Amino acid sequence: GGIITQTPKFLIGQEGQKLTLKCQQNFNHDTMYWYRQDSGKGLRLIYYSITENDLQKGDLSEGYDASREKKSSFSLTVTSAQKNEMAVFLCASSIWGKNTLYFGAGTRLSVL
Amino acid sequence: DAKTTQPDSMESTEGETVHLPCSHATISGNEYIYWYRQVPLQGPEYVTHGLQQNTTNSMAFLAIASDRKSSTLILPHVSLRDAAVYHCILRNSGGSNAKLTFGKGTKLSVKS
Repeated sequence: GGIITQTPKFLIGQEGQKLTLKCQQNFNHDTMYWYRQDSGKGLRLIYYSITENDLQKGDLSEGYDASREKKSSFSLTVTSAQKNEMAVFLCASSIWGKNTLYFGAGTRLSVL
Repeated sequence: DAKTTQPDSMESTEGETVHLPCSHATISGNEYIYWYRQVPLQGPEYVTHGLQQNTTNSMAFLAIASDRKSSTLILPHVSLRDAAVYHCILRNSGGSNAKLTFGKGTKLSVKS
């Protein structure tokens, strides 16, 4: 088995601040994803990466940057945090061509 | 990915068998039906999936209608640990598997 580790678990930022969220997986999966989950809503895809150094925009990429430095890690940057923003950011991974995703526990963001 | 429709919430009592419905009237021939569940402070967890035939594993039984326009996730003898939000989603079997659209899901409550 494997695990997906997201850091930090909780993140408090200031309006306008640049914030970076990190994700590591030891499944040796090719594909990694970042989703945003708002209270009472479903998941929305921000960015995904099919392999190392690949980046693909999702439906919600505006306001975010991503980086796939190596196969096991995928970072997400909030380029300018919005005041009163609260959301959970979920990282996931999968084998390319397989549809089963494995998720991390999430990073909970609050912006003051 | 095509759209699915689920009830917002369902209630049950420990020991009961729970039937969670999902409607996917516009499903296409190469789309699999996937179920994930999510408990508070955790990311979604894979439960099961199927294409046409009913499937079973240690977590649940998935019943798929013969026309594939609906499916039901059956949880036998639920316990308090089964309380979660259950998401029914559709995934293409080929091409890019990156985009994964989760809706709000069904919030299952379990009473002791």
